[in-house]
Amino acid sequence: IQLTQSPSSLSASAGDRVTITCRASQDINNDLAWHQQRPGKAPKLLIYGASTLQSGVPSRFSGSGSGTDFTLTINSLQPEDVAIYYCQKYHGGWTFGQGTKVEVK
Amino acid sequence: QVHLAESGGGVVQPGTSLRLSCAASGFTLSSYAMYWVRQAPGRGLEWVAVISSSGKDRYYVDSLKGRYTISRDDSKNTLYLQMNSLRPEDTAMYFCARAPPLGAIDYWGQGTLVTVST
Repeated sequence: IQLTQSPSSLSASAGDRVTITCRASQDINNDLAWHQQRPGKAPKLLIYGASTLQSGVPSRFSGSGSGTDFTLTINSLQPEDVAIYYCQKYHGGWTFGQGTKVEVK
Repeated sequence: QVHLAESGGGVVQPGTSLRLSCAASGFTLSSYAMYWVRQAPGRGLEWVAVISSSGKDRYYVDSLKGRYTISRDDSKNTLYLQMNSLRPEDTAMYFCARAPPLGAIDYWGQGTLVTVST
């Protein structure tokens, strides 16, 4: 199973709404997570089960989708959201998307 | 407080072996599946291997089968990755991570850097 993220990078202003998509090559139910990797840091789990927010993650992050099409939304982009975001399939096969780099103008 | 600390990385020559360790604390290791994930310089995340909470099931990315072995010693709260016949393309930051059974990775270590070079 392959995961394809789009766009590969984006630049938005603080306060903007940002959407990243992840498309699976076949149905993966909702076995999808989103991880954030800030520059020079280890990744951090944001969302699992396609839409469940990990404890401690700001509520401006949200996830949706099932089957093959998923989205990560950041409402009101903040400077500290500068990072690369990866989707990941788990449970019966483990794959990462290629990543989406988010910059703040 | 959950903590994962990788060690064992370094600069090695092609063809040699290296064993990475991941010391776990703040949780019961035997209750979790454990992963190794690597990231080549300037590249994305690549899943390397996973071992089930019982240790009975182990899976590897196809490109690494036969060269890498994942193992765990729950009595020592430690995860391992034995890497043999290392190649320059194995150069990467290696992260360990935990996941609840059938669940997503929920904690990551800070990584240990492996450089394979003459």
